[in-house]
Amino acid sequence: RKEVEQDPGPFNVPEGATVAFNCTYSNSASQSFFWYRQDCRKEPKLLMSVYSSGNEDGRFTAQLNRASQYISLLIRDSKLSDSATYLCVVSAMDTGRRALTFGSGTRLQVQP
Amino acid sequence: EAQVTQNPRYLITVTGKKLTVTCSQNMNHEYMSWYRQDPGLGLRQIYYSMNVEVTDKGDVPEGYKVSRKEKRNFPLILESPSPNQTSLYFCASSLSPGGNTIYFGEGSWLTVV
Repeated sequence: RKEVEQDPGPFNVPEGATVAFNCTYSNSASQSFFWYRQDCRKEPKLLMSVYSSGNEDGRFTAQLNRASQYISLLIRDSKLSDSATYLCVVSAMDTGRRALTFGSGTRLQVQP
Repeated sequence: EAQVTQNPRYLITVTGKKLTVTCSQNMNHEYMSWYRQDPGLGLRQIYYSMNVEVTDKGDVPEGYKVSRKEKRNFPLILESPSPNQTSLYFCASSLSPGGNTIYFGEGSWLTVV
């Protein structure tokens, strides 16, 4: 079983739609959580951190459920420019060092 | 402008021919790392460095070497490349190992034939 699992998609949605992605993680000692965005053939960039109480940044809302070990990303009013792959990233201590584990990503395609 | 610069961006090479992918950052970050990205597997850490002359293995270090002689540079060395090292490689730099301060280079597409 992968440490961080995501539905690879693609999620094909029309402009203006609301779309949600989930990501599950297996390490119950995970401490920090992030969503990264990666455009085709480009480097990943931080979209937002995920806080325990949930957090919002404009059209993006991130949630954390520690009991069920998943995080989610909700995108409202989708734009064409939201088309990208969204990577779930989990941080945990591993043999004395802080290690990041990346999910393989969920691809979103927003259509006109 | 904060930057992580890696070169070459694209390379096709032959099995066994040593190559080096350079990485340089201008943010005075102590923590640097190398990742490879393969379809369906996500980014996997190859090596990381906590500071000058301090390097350690990540999750998939086999077939790779690194060095950290200066703070800004963290080259990735493939002594004898093999086709299974065909991948997209990213250098990353951050203030700490945490996930909210990472800057990635633009990536290096490496094909080993």
